[in-house]
Amino acid sequence: DTGVSQDPRHKITKRGQNVTFRCDPISEHNRLYWYRQTLGQGPEFLTYFQNEAQLEKSRLLSDRFSAERPKGSFSTLEIQRTEQGDSAMYLCASIPLRAGKYSDTQYFGPGTRLTVL
Amino acid sequence: GDSVTQMEGPVTLSEEAFLTINCTYTATGYPSLFWYVQYPGEGLQLLLKATKADDKGSNKGFEATYRKETTSFHLEKGSVQVSDSAVYFCALLSNAGNNRKLIWGLGTSLAVNP
Repeated sequence: DTGVSQDPRHKITKRGQNVTFRCDPISEHNRLYWYRQTLGQGPEFLTYFQNEAQLEKSRLLSDRFSAERPKGSFSTLEIQRTEQGDSAMYLCASIPLRAGKYSDTQYFGPGTRLTVL
Repeated sequence: GDSVTQMEGPVTLSEEAFLTINCTYTATGYPSLFWYVQYPGEGLQLLLKATKADDKGSNKGFEATYRKETTSFHLEKGSVQVSDSAVYFCALLSNAGNNRKLIWGLGTSLAVNP
């Protein structure tokens, strides 16, 4: 396993701009999760995919947020019209399907730190 | 809903001191419980886990026992090292439903001084 990778690692943007983050999960991991972590807090679930299907979205994911996983491999998270409150670490994790059951251990990428000025 | 309450930090210890970080949870059914660690500049890594009552997870000298009667999963280490300085997160995975999303505590920052 090469691990979960995320790009970019850091992003600084001005309020009102759009940003897009990418996550490459571990190869053949069927499920992919996005979390958001603000300073001094634990991660909060945003959304997850099973292959290319987005199966659940948190209420935290406002209309300005959209996530895709078009081919069931990498995923993108886009934030439109960024606000200062969007400043956070955005984490991606993936899990494999083994013997018909999804693993309970999530494998995390290093995160993308977004700063909105 | 499900939740995790974790001891607030920061915690500062001297090398070779005993560490306890408290974690309690609220959940329906029988969740799996985890401790993740985040070293400076790195992503979250699984430290240990326990999937049923009375299970003990252990790794790198850290231990935690799943106590259903007290709904707790406290993290312990007998002798900490400077390299253990990190942020520690307690988390649960509800076994109700199939989404496998983690519910997290706020994290406890640990600094170990030589």
